[in-house]
Amino acid sequence: DARVTQTPRHKVTEMGQEVTMRCQPILGHNTVFWYRQTMMQGLELLAYFRNRAPLDDSGMPKDRFSAEMPDATLATLKIQPSEPRDSAVYFCASGSLGETQYFGPGTRLLVL
Amino acid sequence: QKEVEQDPGPLSVPEGAIVSLNCTYSNSAFQYFMWYRQYSRKGPELLMYTYSSGNKEDGRFTAQVDKSSKYISLFIRDSQPSDSATYLCAMMEYGNKLVFGAGTILRVKS
Repeated sequence: DARVTQTPRHKVTEMGQEVTMRCQPILGHNTVFWYRQTMMQGLELLAYFRNRAPLDDSGMPKDRFSAEMPDATLATLKIQPSEPRDSAVYFCASGSLGETQYFGPGTRLLVL
Repeated sequence: QKEVEQDPGPLSVPEGAIVSLNCTYSNSAFQYFMWYRQYSRKGPELLMYTYSSGNKEDGRFTAQVDKSSKYISLFIRDSQPSDSATYLCAMMEYGNKLVFGAGTILRVKS
């Protein structure tokens, strides 16, 4: 049963620290998405990649967030420095062109 | 105005009731329509996926798309307490990113 995996599942850190979240997309999917979900804003698209190339990162605060795909089996989302307002659940999803997306279980981030 | 509008609820119904969840949208270029279910503290799970107007049925779930009215619905028959979750509609143009509704919280009381 293929699924998207994310690590860590939970992260508590202090303001100013670097946070790195990792995602392993479903094998064969060529599109990877990063979302953030909060009660107030709902599900927000931060960035997405196709064939490892960044296509759109307009939803991401550029000064502190960065997203990369070092290879086809790994996507990373980094926050440096982290702030309390970054506290949220971060989801990775993967899919293929013209098809829908399958979500991972999320990383629950709390920045104190 | 948001591209996709969805009433956040919460919607509370008794067990066995028929549930109707709805979304409206403004972008006529949307071709693909989905419903995701999200349980508390879990990721969204794909429930239904359609790309044409009309109805699609899967067990107790029926997805309905009316492109002329820019309106989609999800019907749940014989609702169960295990259906209690947040339901998110989502839609996209071909090859593009999904646009999500805000999600409707559903509570089915036993």
